[in-house]
Amino acid sequence: DAKTTQPPSMDCAEGRAANLPCNHSTISGNEYVYWYRQIHSQGPQYIIHGLKNNETNEMASLIITEDRKSSTLILPHATLRDTAVYYCIVRVAFRETSGSRLTFGEGTQLTVNP
Amino acid sequence: GAVVSQHPSWVICKSGTSVKIECRSLDFQATTMFWYRQFPKQSLMLMATSNEGSKATYEQGVEKDKFLINHASLTLSTLTVTSAHPEDSSFYICSAREQRELGDTQYFGPGTRLTVL
Repeated sequence: DAKTTQPPSMDCAEGRAANLPCNHSTISGNEYVYWYRQIHSQGPQYIIHGLKNNETNEMASLIITEDRKSSTLILPHATLRDTAVYYCIVRVAFRETSGSRLTFGEGTQLTVNP
Repeated sequence: GAVVSQHPSWVICKSGTSVKIECRSLDFQATTMFWYRQFPKQSLMLMATSNEGSKATYEQGVEKDKFLINHASLTLSTLTVTSAHPEDSSFYICSAREQRELGDTQYFGPGTRLTVL
């Protein structure tokens, strides 16, 4: 699976949009971009994933560049409860590789300030 | 999204005893489940992958005889830490794979905090 690079930490003001970048310059054509977050002392929470098109759900938006070498997770109106470590993970679809699974890097510690 | 539960949420045990942690997918069937471990201020480390009805696949450096994994049904996997020692104290998190039309997804349980005295 392709390696990802994320900034170790970011700050955001409450109510403003939080834009979390992720570089995955070695991504392959069949690899998806997944985003998870982990609030302190809890299990990771799935946020969103995409292949090449931009995606949006009730939690966030995922913007993937045309060359797919980077992506941005957007939390449109950050709240204090969004303070967490955010992980960007690139991997093939599970059905393509039975032994494939998510491996976590260091992620970005997002702190939402009042 | 899909829900994964773990039990217990925390456990304290004496050195030398065994501890069993259960992981359940509540609203979907999971042919594949995963077990992770997380030490303080570190990221999650994958321990093993379990497929329903077959033996688990362990990551390098994880002792299969110490961390027994059973995935007997499509909604339940168990991790048993045998002869636990203080160095096994950690946050154990399970995950279950939900098959989807495009891009299967892993959902995680809330974790189990194990403290070995």
